Amino acid sequence: EVQLVQSGAEVKKPGESLKISCKGSGYSFSNYWIGWVRQMPGKGLEWMGIIYPDNSDTRNSPSFQGQVTISADKSIATAYLQWSSLEASDTAMYYCGRLYSTSSAYFDYWGQGTLVTVSS
Amino acid sequence: SYELTQSPSVSVSPGQTARITCSGDALPKKYVYWYQQKSGQAPVLVIYEDTKRPSGIPERFSGSSSGTMATLTISGAQVEDEADYYCYSADSSGNHWVFGGGTKLTVL
Repeated sequence: EVQLVQSGAEVKKPGESLKISCKGSGYSFSNYWIGWVRQMPGKGLEWMGIIYPDNSDTRNSPSFQGQVTISADKSIATAYLQWSSLEASDTAMYYCGRLYSTSSAYFDYWGQGTLVTVSS
Repeated sequence: SYELTQSPSVSVSPGQTARITCSGDALPKKYVYWYQQKSGQAPVLVIYEDTKRPSGIPERFSGSSSGTMATLTISGAQVEDEADYYCYSADSSGNHWVFGGGTKLTVL
């Protein structure tokens, strides 16, 4: 059974750093793209970027370029989303998802979401 | 950056047909996918590659695409179909993907 399990909710202060995780199981983690999606409170889904764990090839949304870092460690089947300096506007639910294929890059499996709250 | 445009809301009575549209300049050459998201839950794929329905999705869900417009149709909408619906597709380069702004479907 394919599963993506995300790390738990975080409460941080502005300016702090953060790294959240997404651990895959039940499939060959290295050979499927993993992506991250942001959902701000009461708002829609936003595609942030994707990574291919086997070689760490990354595609970032222009909207998030330079704001976050997407990485992966295939040895432990885990992808990461990282901030160096959080802002209040980073408060959101973050979902990871597995992409079906490169050519048909839709999310076929999702993590449960990680709620990030940034507040002074 | 590339955008997909959806109307913010659609409202139908139970048993009626709901149509949710999505427009984007790259749609003539790119597939559209549709996700359903109920409150507090992760999204669920209901249509992929314009018209295909994943296993487990009721037959009342169908999709079509023509030119720069794609449509998700729910024939005989049920109360349990009340949710936010998002279209999803790639830009012309195929390297970046976007979600539409979402459409809130009300069934009452």
